[in-house]
Amino acid sequence: QVQLVESGGGLVKPGTSLRLSCAASGYTFSDFYMTWIRQAPGKGLEWVSYISSFDNTIYYADSVKGRFTISRDDARNSLYLQMNNLRAEDTAIYYCARIEGNWNFDYWGQGTLVTVSS
Amino acid sequence: QSALTQPASVSGSPGQSITISCSGTSSDLSVYNYVSWYQQHPGKAPKLIIYDVSSRPSGVSNRFSGSKSGNTASLTISGLQAEDEADYYCSSYTGSSTLVFGGGTKVTVL
Repeated sequence: QVQLVESGGGLVKPGTSLRLSCAASGYTFSDFYMTWIRQAPGKGLEWVSYISSFDNTIYYADSVKGRFTISRDDARNSLYLQMNNLRAEDTAIYYCARIEGNWNFDYWGQGTLVTVSS
Repeated sequence: QSALTQPASVSGSPGQSITISCSGTSSDLSVYNYVSWYQQHPGKAPKLIIYDVSSRPSGVSNRFSGSKSGNTASLTISGLQAEDEADYYCSSYTGSSTLVFGGGTKVTVL
C-alpha cells in the first residue's frame, strides 16, 4: 500500500534553515508528481510547492518563493523541502502528498511539525 | 493567490443532506475543472474525497458528490452520518501554475 512518511521537522529560530524529507513506498515513486502542503496550527491548508516526475518542473507559492527549494531523489524514493530563512509564519505541519491527475492529492503523509520561534 | 471562500461551518442532523459552497474567481474555479475536496478529521491528514469537480476516488462513499456552476463549486453530503463530522477543504488550480485552497468548513452532525 502507498505510504508517505515525513521527517525532519522541529523547533528552529527565525532566519535559520531546515530540510524536510518524505519517504515514499508502495508505488513507483518516479512515475508520480509530488507536492508539499502546510497547515498552520488551527488554520487551513496552504499549498507550498510541486515537482513533476519526468522533467522536474517546479512551482512554488509566492509565500515561499526564493526561500524554499523542492527536490526529489527517485533512486531513494524520496522528496525533500529545503527551507531557508525561516519565519514565524512558516510554523505549520508540513505534509507531502502524491499528485494524481490534475492537481489531485490522492495520498498524504502524516505530517511533520515545524516550529519557528526565538 | 487569495483563498477560495467557504462557509466557516455547516451543520445537519443524521440522515439529512448538507451542501458546502466554495467560491472562487474568474482566474480559478470558473475557468478550470480542477476542483478537489478533502476531508480532514482532527489530528489526521486530509483525505481526497472528490476530484475534477465531481469524480470520486475508489473507496469513497457515494454519499459525497461534487458540482460546479460558474465560479462556485459545491460539495453535497447526503444521508449525513456521525463519521462525516470533520473539516472540509476545497481546492482549485489557478492557471498560474499554483493551487489555492478554501479556508475550510467545519461540519457538525447534530
